[in-house]
Amino acid sequence: DAGVIQSPRHEVTEMGQEVTLRCKPISGHDYLFWYRQTMMRGLELLIYFNNNVPIDDSGMPEDRFSAKMPNASFSTLKIQPSEPRDSAVYFCASRYTGEQFFGPGTRLTVL
Amino acid sequence: AQSVTQLGSHVSVSEGALVLLRCNYSSSVPPYLFWYVQYPNQGLQLLLKYTTGATLVKGINGFEAEFKKSETSFHLTKPSAHMSDAAEYFCAVSFGNEKLTFGTGTRLTIIP
Repeated sequence: DAGVIQSPRHEVTEMGQEVTLRCKPISGHDYLFWYRQTMMRGLELLIYFNNNVPIDDSGMPEDRFSAKMPNASFSTLKIQPSEPRDSAVYFCASRYTGEQFFGPGTRLTVL
Repeated sequence: AQSVTQLGSHVSVSEGALVLLRCNYSSSVPPYLFWYVQYPNQGLQLLLKYTTGATLVKGINGFEAEFKKSETSFHLTKPSAHMSDAAEYFCAVSFGNEKLTFGTGTRLTIIP
């Protein structure tokens, strides 16, 4: 298996623009997680899905953030409008049982 | 609420020396415990995990950790550090639900 796939790997955008991050989990995994990592706040869980259904979105910072999982093989995290403080590395992870497998991350820079 | 504390945000050891990274958790129920490693510009990779059974857990790259319930600890060790061990290490805890709660991380530097 190719592992968790995230795209793009790097994204540079200007404040106010919409940003969409994409994730393809490992085939057969029924949980998908979105994390954000910054120097100041460390690794934060934003939202997670089970069988494509959002279970806990309490970590989503505000209404500008939204996440969807239309099917078992694809998820998006959208930020609209983006702000400089959203600059971070965003990770997607998936699991079936036990451990979570992480993607390589998307480094987002909002100017 | 579940939580995990990593003591020491930065640890430096000489090549060939013992590596000890500390992790303590708070819980009233048996936890599942994990150590992940993150190399620069990469995602997190599982080093080892404790769920049930033997309290001494062996992982990849020569690392091991011991679950000590009386001390609520899960410290990570490696007898002899290698330059390639330089990375950031995260302890994480789960209590049977789906979520992992991560510590703040420890950056390990290896001195040649």
